[in-house]
Formats: sequence, structure tokens, C-alpha cells
Amino acid sequence: QSVLTQPPSASGTPGQRVTISCSGSNSNIGSNTVNWYQQLPGTAPKLLIFSNNRRPSGVPDRFSGSKSGTSASLAISGLQSEDEAAYHCSAWDDSLNGLWVFGGGTKLTVL
Amino acid sequence: QVQLVQSGADMKKPGASVKVSCKSSGYTFTSYGVSWVRQAPGQGLEWMGWISGYNGKTNYAQTFQGRVTITADTSTSTVYMELRSLRSDDTAVYYCARDQGQYYDILTGSSHWGQGTPVTVDS
Repeated sequence: QSVLTQPPSASGTPGQRVTISCSGSNSNIGSNTVNWYQQLPGTAPKLLIFSNNRRPSGVPDRFSGSKSGTSASLAISGLQSEDEAAYHCSAWDDSLNGLWVFGGGTKLTVL
Repeated sequence: QVQLVQSGADMKKPGASVKVSCKSSGYTFTSYGVSWVRQAPGQGLEWMGWISGYNGKTNYAQTFQGRVTITADTSTSTVYMELRSLRSDDTAVYYCARDQGQYYDILTGSSHWGQGTPVTVDS
């Protein structure tokens, strides 16, 4: 069972805006920034959003992130077929010696 | 360009050990840390541990304490992950991933990932 909670699935039609939620606790999202990864089928994860709402170079501005309290969200606007992938949230957790924790991943289907 | 190239797929019997390598290129190895993350079939990502390329300092997830060792060879820019006492639920794809930030600036996530190494544990 993952430390961060994400919905297992989400869907939308091309052009639509979809959001994916990520819920944590005071020791992770409540204390540290959130990163999001996109994982296309059969490939390694790719950093999509870091520090809650910053995009690495090359990531379209259709992708945006936000954080409030112990929850975070990823929004994808102008949905495209190539956005069909799994999306994972992650945060550093201050408990014990510290560790990275992840959500279980959300599989996004473009209908 | 930055590349992390991992060793190939492996199959082990329960109780055995596996050692996966991750060879880095395209950046100054000693300036960045590397994490190991695994993904069981159909499951989410699970962080196993991290090593500093600067001084070899390690940090392991409590779940794997005593069973995992991460080492770095600066002469070959290669990081290794050894997992011992393998069980069937260790069957997963194992990834190495380089920090986006330098030295101990780890909170900005992992910007470069290896291609993944499937490890199957089966009697």
C-alpha cells in the first residue's frame, strides 16, 4: 500500500482538462514539495513537475501542479492522445531517516 | 547528453542475491546523487535507497534495511544495487535515477532515469 493516495484511474476526451489528486500527511506533502512523474507504457518514469509547480525544460505548459496543505494536484489541459500514461506523485517524507514516498499511480485514459 | 545505462534482465531463485549496475555518462558523476526505485508488476513506484556521488553516503528505506547495499565506483561512474535474501515479491523492474539537483539538493526529484532492469525471483 502506497504512502501517498492517488485515484487508480482517470479519463478525458481530447481537448478536455483533467486533474489528478494526491493526498499525503504532515510528514511528507505537508512538510515538503511535491514532484510528479509521467510513465508511458513500457518506459521509465519521466519528471513532469517538480517543486509543486515547476516544469523541467521541454514539458509543455499544458501540465501544471499545485499543492495545498497535505494534498497536491496535477492538471492537464488541452488533453492529447499522447498524454495517455500513468502519473505518479512523490514527496520526501521526514519520518525515520527520511525517504521518498510515492502514490500508487493514476492511469490516465484518453477516450 | 546524460545517460544512465543499466545491466540486463536477471532471474534468481528465492534466497539468492542480485546485483544491478547503472553506468552514468554525460555529466560529472561526483556532483549528483542516484536513487534506486523499483516497480512490481502492475504496481506503483517504491524507493529503495540513495547514494551520494560526492562522498558515497547512503540512505536506505527502512523496508530494505539490512537487505540492500548501494555502492558507487567513481572510477567508472557506475552505481550498484545489491539486494539479498530474495523473495518472490521482489520480482520487479529496478530503476536507477539521478537527482535533478546537485550534491544534497534532492528535493527537486529525479530528472534522469535508467531504462530499468527486470528481475524475476522464481523457484
